[in-house]
Amino acid sequence: KQEVTQIPAALSVPEGENLVLNCSFTDSAIYNLQWFRQDPGKGLTSLLLIQSSQREQTSGRLNASLDKSSGRSTLYIAASQPGDSATYLCAVSGFQKLVFGTGTRLLVSP
Amino acid sequence: EPEVTQTPSHQVTQMGQEVILRCVPISNHLYFYWYRQILGQKVEFLVSFYNNEISEKSEIFDDQFSVERPDGSNFTLKIRSTKLEDSAMYFCASSELQGPSAEQYFGPGTRLTVT
Repeated sequence: KQEVTQIPAALSVPEGENLVLNCSFTDSAIYNLQWFRQDPGKGLTSLLLIQSSQREQTSGRLNASLDKSSGRSTLYIAASQPGDSATYLCAVSGFQKLVFGTGTRLLVSP
Repeated sequence: EPEVTQTPSHQVTQMGQEVILRCVPISNHLYFYWYRQILGQKVEFLVSFYNNEISEKSEIFDDQFSVERPDGSNFTLKIRSTKLEDSAMYFCASSELQGPSAEQYFGPGTRLTVT
């Protein structure tokens, strides 16, 4: 059974810092990995999708990497801003369903 | 930009009542999903739906749950007799494809409160 873990559970940084969020999964037989952002009481916004054959994806200040063989992904956020404050979820796809991690709650202070 | 919509945003119901949660997926998407998130817990997969039938379901999705695509645009989740433990945020999602390039797009969710 696929298990997804995210560390740290919470992170508080001053504005402008570069930061790394970590995601690990137990079964490397995945189709893809998605990173989402969730604001309090709101839905999930897809940030990046990395296919199983890819190593990296970039969107603006976000860069996600995937090492399928070791069961790890990282989300790198450059030059963090207060508007980046949210919970970040990673989810791995086993063909259809997504299996989610517990998330990292990020607070960026001005 | 196309988006998944869900109604209502918040539903309060009494234990034992039936509820129907509604979703309008992105128009050219073919694969539809329901997930739920109990407060403070992980987002959990409930069911996937394609070509008018369930393609995968989780252990949570028991006989109390059903899904339907009653017309060309709506996708519904019915809970036949709600329990207190059904209180959660329910998310609908859709994707155009399956497999490695299948990106799932989520709606804003329906908060279900069972009293």
